[in-house]
Amino acid sequence: GEDVEQSLFLSVREGDSSVINCTYTDSSSTYLYWYKQEPGAGLQLLTYIFSNMDMKQDQRLTVLLNKKDKHLSLRIADTQTGDSAIYFCAEIGVNRDDKIIFGKGTRLHILP
Amino acid sequence: DTAVSQTPKYLVTQMGNDKSIKCEQNLGHDTMYWYKQDSKKFLKIMFSYNNKELIINETVPNRFSPKSPDKAHLNLHINSLELGDSAVYFCASSQGLAGEQYFGPGTRLTVT
Repeated sequence: GEDVEQSLFLSVREGDSSVINCTYTDSSSTYLYWYKQEPGAGLQLLTYIFSNMDMKQDQRLTVLLNKKDKHLSLRIADTQTGDSAIYFCAEIGVNRDDKIIFGKGTRLHILP
Repeated sequence: DTAVSQTPKYLVTQMGNDKSIKCEQNLGHDTMYWYKQDSKKFLKIMFSYNNKELIINETVPNRFSPKSPDKAHLNLHINSLELGDSAVYFCASSQGLAGEQYFGPGTRLTVT
C-alpha cells in the first residue's frame, strides 16, 4: 500500500473551512509537512509539525496530528480563491533513511 | 513500472569532483523539476524545465546545471562538489506547471 495517502480532490465554498486529510504508515516519522504546489513555483513549504506535537496553528492554518492513528490534517480557515492549489502531505522518518516521502497531493477547488 | 526514477539512489564522492544524477519519467509529462532536501529537512526547489526551457532557477550556485536531452529526462550536473552539497535530491515531473507533481525516490549525495 501507499506510505502516505491523501484524497485527490476537495471542493470547498469560499469563506468556509477546508480540511485536507492525510494518513501515513511510518511509525518512526519525525517531521510531517504540508506543501503547497504553486504553478510555476514548485512546491513551497506551507507548514510542518514535529511528531511530538498534537497541534500547530499559524494564522489561518491549523495542523492536527493524531500519532496513534497516524493521521495528519490541515485546516484552512476562511478559504479564499488564492488557496486553490494542490496540497502535498509529506513525512520523514528514520526508518526511511531520512528521505521525505510524499503523498500524491490533494487538489483544492474553491467554489464561488 | 516506476513513473519517475532516479539513478543512483546513493552517491558518495569527494570534494572537488564533478558528478551527475539522472532522472527519467515515463509519464509523458512536459515539465520536470529538481528539488533539494536541505539540512533542516525541508524541500526547496532548484530548477524546473518545461519543453526544454528553464522556467525556474532559484538561488542555486552555477555549479549546478540541469540538462535535458529529451522530454523524458532531466539530469542534474554538479561541478566542483562541496561539503555543503551533501543532501537528498529529488526529481519530479508534471503535465504543465499546474499539474500534480510525481516524485522520484530521491538520491542521497554525500560529499566527503
